[in-house]
Amino acid sequence: DSGVTQTPKHLITATGQRVTLRCSPRSGDLSVYWYQQSLDQGLQFLIQYYNGEERAKGNILERFSAQQFPDLHSELNLSSLELGDSALYFCASSVGGSGNQPQHFGDGTRLSIL
Amino acid sequence: GENVEQHPSTLSVQEGDSAVIKCTYSDSASNYFPWYKQELGKGPQLIIDIRSNVGEKKDQRIAVTLNKTAKHFSLHITETQPEDSAVYFCAAREAPGTYKYIFGTGTRLKVLA
Repeated sequence: DSGVTQTPKHLITATGQRVTLRCSPRSGDLSVYWYQQSLDQGLQFLIQYYNGEERAKGNILERFSAQQFPDLHSELNLSSLELGDSALYFCASSVGGSGNQPQHFGDGTRLSIL
Repeated sequence: GENVEQHPSTLSVQEGDSAVIKCTYSDSASNYFPWYKQELGKGPQLIIDIRSNVGEKKDQRIAVTLNKTAKHFSLHITETQPEDSAVYFCAAREAPGTYKYIFGTGTRLKVLA
C-alpha cells in the first residue's frame, strides 16, 4: 500500500460528459502528480502541484484541468470527453516538489468512455 | 526534452535465472532514475532508484547500474521468482529546473516456474 488514495477505481461515462477524479496524497507529501496511462502511450505526465500551486505541466489537454486544495488532496477534471480519453489515470505524490525524490503512485482510476 | 528508451519490451526467464532490463536517456543533465514495478490492476510501485552521483545501488535481489557517459542505466534482478512477473518501467527526471519524470515504455517480465 503506497498510501496514495484514488477514487473512484472505475468510471464509465459517455462522450461529451465531464468527470472528476480525486487523489489523496501520502501523509506529509506536498506534491501531487497526475499521469495518464494508455496502451499505446505508456505513462504520460499531465501536471504537478506543489503545496497548492501548479508547478509543472506536461501534455495536458485544454479540456483537462486540475487543482490542489488546502488539505493537499487534488482533483483532475476531464470535460467534453472523447473516446480517446479512455485510459488509466494515476496520481502520485512526493514529499518535495523538486522532482528528484521518489514518487509514490496510487492504484489509479480506470476511465471508460462509451 | 528528455527521451527514455527501454529494452526489451518483453522478457521471459526461468525461475532462478537473472533478468536484465536496459534504458537509455537523452539528456545528460538528468540526475535521478527510478524503477517501478506494476502488477495487474495496481499502480506503479517504486522498487529502486539511483542518483547520478552513484554508479550502482543494490537492494537484496535487485540492483541498478548507471553509466553517465553512455547515458544508460539497467535493472538487474537475480534469482528470479514467479512473483517478480510484472511490467517494469524505468524513468528519468528531466533536467534540473523541471519536475517531471519521463518514463520508458515498459518491459513485461515473465518468470517461468
